[in-house]
Amino acid sequence: DTEVTQTPKHLVMGMTNKKSLKCEQHMGHRAMYWYKQKAKKPPELMFVYSYEKLSINESVPSRFSPECPNSSLLNLHLHALQPEDSALYLCASSQVMVTGELFFGEGSRLTVL
Amino acid sequence: EDQVTQSPEALRLQEGESSSLNCSYTVSGLRGLFWYRQDPGKGPEFLFTLYSAGEEKEKERLKATLTKKESFLHITAPKPEDSATYLCAVQARTNAGKSTFGDGTTLTVKP
Repeated sequence: DTEVTQTPKHLVMGMTNKKSLKCEQHMGHRAMYWYKQKAKKPPELMFVYSYEKLSINESVPSRFSPECPNSSLLNLHLHALQPEDSALYLCASSQVMVTGELFFGEGSRLTVL
Repeated sequence: EDQVTQSPEALRLQEGESSSLNCSYTVSGLRGLFWYRQDPGKGPEFLFTLYSAGEEKEKERLKATLTKKESFLHITAPKPEDSATYLCAVQARTNAGKSTFGDGTTLTVKP
């Protein structure tokens, strides 16, 4: 069983909708990540939070807006997405940013119509 | 720029037929090399971290090894439940928080 929990597991949204993906971990990790994964491709880094502060933004379009309310929670707010944004969105955590060992959630499968 | 190349892209084995997956890497100052297993539609599951050439790690039927240019994931007497995509990733000392992933090897083990 994964210790990183993501909700919802599946999300279908129109291009004008606003929705959020949520992630929670209770391992005491201080780094949390959002990755995007397309079919048959490796995960692609989007954002990294370290000690609740945004540390890395991989030039992600502003229609994706991350938020880290506390050390256990990570959100990804979605607005005005495009069909090409359809993908598996993965949350991960690590003890701290430098350790590199990532613990992933099961992902949120997003479909944009 | 850090690079990771995994081979083969796909591997089909009979149950009990041992083999190896390869991960070749180029990184400026290796902090760590990581192996993950990913089942279809799920998030990757962390398997191993290797830090320096000569290091080996084992877990059940899996053994990971590291040289200065590549890592191998040896699978001994695989079972159908070992079928998955295996991902290799590296992190440079100067790039905390950023792992560079390979494209993965999809392993299928037939009973």
